[in-house]
Amino acid sequence: DTAVSQTPKYLVTQMGNDKSIKCEQNLGHDTMYWYKQDSKKFLKIMFSYNNKELIINETVPNRFSPKSPDKAHLNLHINSLELGDSAVYFCASRRTGGTEAFFGQGTRLTVV
Amino acid sequence: KQEVTQIPAALSVPEGENLVLNCSFTDSAIYNLQWFRQDPGKGLTSLLLIQSSQREQTSGRLNASLDKSSGRSTLYIAASQPGDSATYLCAVGTGANNLFFGTGTRLTVIP
Repeated sequence: DTAVSQTPKYLVTQMGNDKSIKCEQNLGHDTMYWYKQDSKKFLKIMFSYNNKELIINETVPNRFSPKSPDKAHLNLHINSLELGDSAVYFCASRRTGGTEAFFGQGTRLTVV
Repeated sequence: KQEVTQIPAALSVPEGENLVLNCSFTDSAIYNLQWFRQDPGKGLTSLLLIQSSQREQTSGRLNASLDKSSGRSTLYIAASQPGDSATYLCAVGTGANNLFFGTGTRLTVIP
């Protein structure tokens, strides 16, 4: 069983569209994350979220919004996609308090 | 703000060599430090997790050390193999919900 799964794995879309990436974890973790990996392979945190608190990286445009229907899911919704949004997006989870973090396989988003 | 740096950015070694990857962080108030491996086009695989109260962790040919007061961690790989070729990332956990990544070291082990 995959611990952290993301869908889709690849996403190609036109500028201006709205899209969502889904993430699910079956580890019973209470904290989930979204990261963006740019063309230089640097992983930048976008959001961290548990059932108590959403922490937003202040540099993330408000076109990006996390949505968590329950503790096992943290979806990423992106409005009005731009060329610069092209990147690989990773979902991760861990138990609050500093345990091991587990990552999904990533979603490669290409905006054309 | 926590900043994490990894040196070198790239490293190429012949098979069989022992090697050390370095990670430094600016804020010593950390919960833990985790080393990951990323293969091209793939996700991240966790290698080792060191809690802030620990000095080192070992798994097979890998040994990670942590010196919190000086803001440093090292990942030692013994008897390197071509299959070890990948990008190695360290990530620092600060507070309950934050995990900050370094810039990565791209390792190539030459057969």
